[in-house]
Amino acid sequence: SQELEQSPQSLIVQEGKNLTINCTSSKTLYGLYWYKQKYGEGLIFLMMLQKGGEEKSHEKITAKLDEKKQQSSLHITASQPSHAGIYLCGADGQGAQKLVFGQGTRLTINP
Amino acid sequence: DTGVSQDPRHKITKRGQNVTFRCDPISEHNRLYWYRQTLGQGPEFLTYFQNEAQLEKSRLLSDRFSAERPKGSFSTLEIQRTEQGDSAMYLCASSLVNPDTQYFGPGTRLTVL
Repeated sequence: SQELEQSPQSLIVQEGKNLTINCTSSKTLYGLYWYKQKYGEGLIFLMMLQKGGEEKSHEKITAKLDEKKQQSSLHITASQPSHAGIYLCGADGQGAQKLVFGQGTRLTINP
Repeated sequence: DTGVSQDPRHKITKRGQNVTFRCDPISEHNRLYWYRQTLGQGPEFLTYFQNEAQLEKSRLLSDRFSAERPKGSFSTLEIQRTEQGDSAMYLCASSLVNPDTQYFGPGTRLTVL
């Protein structure tokens, strides 16, 4: 079965700094989703990537899919306190509707 | 614009009791999913429906768990004879068939004493 490994597991950065979170899959990625979760709440959809080499941006968050490496990265530029939370990557296997998730990366932004 | 809603948001129960959670998906979405999330982990898939048909169930869904979506709209997840290991956040999501991006509700946090 497919497994997703996120790194780092937790990250503390100074406000205004850039950061990157990685998500590596044990199998080929067909669809890769990034979600954000505030503690104790539901998941908020950020972006979905499907094609190798695809890159999407929303405000100061950019996600890339490197299909050859079975890896995706999430990059935040000029971090703000509002970026704090848990970032989760999820993948759907070919022909499968369910999502398999990584364990999450907890991001803390220090003022 | 109403998103996915779940009720209740929190449930505290004693071991051995039955509990039922409700999920109302985004109105035009015909797929509905249930996940379970424990502390420090990502969500784990439990089951999903397309309209009223339950199309897939995880091995995590023991015989104490049952999910229904009787009219293809809202769904309920019932846990019978709750155990302390059932304590978790239960998340519901919904999607169209295409695109099938899943949108999540706020979750129901279950605590079994």
